[in-house]
Amino acid sequence: GENVEQHPSTLSVQEGDSAVIKCTYSDSASNYFPWYKQELGKGPQLIIDIRSNVGEKKDQRIAVTLNKTAKHFSLHITETQPEDSAVYFCAASIAGNQFYFGTGTSLTVIP
Amino acid sequence: NAGVTQTPKFQVLKTGQSMTLQCAQDMNHNSMYWYRQDPGMGLRLIYYSASEGTTDKGEVPNGYNVSRLNKREFSLRLESAAPSQTSVYFCASHRGMNTEAFFGQGTRLTVV
Repeated sequence: GENVEQHPSTLSVQEGDSAVIKCTYSDSASNYFPWYKQELGKGPQLIIDIRSNVGEKKDQRIAVTLNKTAKHFSLHITETQPEDSAVYFCAASIAGNQFYFGTGTSLTVIP
Repeated sequence: NAGVTQTPKFQVLKTGQSMTLQCAQDMNHNSMYWYRQDPGMGLRLIYYSASEGTTDKGEVPNGYNVSRLNKREFSLRLESAAPSQTSVYFCASHRGMNTEAFFGQGTRLTVV
């Protein structure tokens, strides 16, 4: 099956700085790559996703890039704010029925 | 619009006891999932149901059974709980291929 690796496991940034989280996947058949944000005591919530026919997608302060050749994708958060502090998960999906998740990145934004 | 609702939110079981975790979604989604979340291991798929009437094993199915009762409801059963099943369990649903998955609030299960 698919194997998704995520780095770093923890990340601290100053408010206003950028944060980058990177994921790699193993199965070239994966074609859907969502990113989820999980706040304490809650379920994960989608923040952005990208499909394999697109190289980059942006939504306000959040962007995701995909390099199919290298089999890696990254989450970029610019102008970080304290409310961005949470655990972020990347995932990869083959044919959309099974999602394989990374191990998570705990992001702390220091005011 | 409640989304995905899981019950109970917290549960403590003794080793060997059985219980069923309930999940219901009101978004008319075809696919439903059960995950477990353990520290440092992300979310791992236990079972999923691609459509009403079908269920399939995920990465970590041992010790669990599921029932897709109807399109709305997907339950997870632990027949004989073990301490290794102490975890946070999440139910999720999505409309179809390559679409957003919606998660419930989770069930924190402790087996002593």
